[in-house]
Amino acid sequence: NAGVTQTPKFQVLKTGQSMTLQCAQDMNHNSMYWYRQDPGMGLRLIYYSASEGTTDKGEVPNGYNVSRLNKREFSLRLESAAPSQTSVYFCASSPIPITAGANTGELFFGEGSRLTVL
Amino acid sequence: AQSVTQPDIHITVSEGASLELRCNYSYGATPYLFWYVQSPGQGLQLLLKYFSGDTLVQGIKGFEAEFKRSQSSFNLRKPSVHWSDAAEYFCAVGGDDYKLSFGAGTTVTVRA
Repeated sequence: NAGVTQTPKFQVLKTGQSMTLQCAQDMNHNSMYWYRQDPGMGLRLIYYSASEGTTDKGEVPNGYNVSRLNKREFSLRLESAAPSQTSVYFCASSPIPITAGANTGELFFGEGSRLTVL
Repeated sequence: AQSVTQPDIHITVSEGASLELRCNYSYGATPYLFWYVQSPGQGLQLLLKYFSGDTLVQGIKGFEAEFKRSQSSFNLRKPSVHWSDAAEYFCAVGGDDYKLSFGAGTTVTVRA
């Protein structure tokens, strides 16, 4: 059972280069998320997709774009990478959108993608 | 918007000793609260969650947490830690806007 799969696991970019982080889940979840993790700051939400066909900004969307390609896949694109985007990126999914009315809320995380921008 | 504070950046505990990790949240309504654990090089795994009802919740790996509305806290506890509990622990709070907000994390080191 693969769960949430992210590729690549490691990437080094030069400033100004572009790249796409891929994420796929095989749990038939409706909602998907991209977080970045930086030391001392926990996880911060970049973008999320509450359901197929919708995407919304999170706390730190600047410099990123996303595509919900289908129910399984949610990609994160850096159009022009900057050193400030050096981070560990996590994709996550949940069965339904996380709201106070729903007795769920568990996020299932991938193993992360470590990105370094020089 | 909701927010989470984890006051302790790093805690060192002896194997077999008890552990308590603090979490304080800010949210205008009844929150739903989570604790996640991250082992080195891994993604996050859910330990336990609180939505409503009994304020003492049990989780996996022998962890429990208590929701105290009056103190806006959701502290995580374990009576006797094992070396395998060395990890980073994150508290998170959710509201009505499809998002979880995470604290900065507490790193736990277990000494023999």
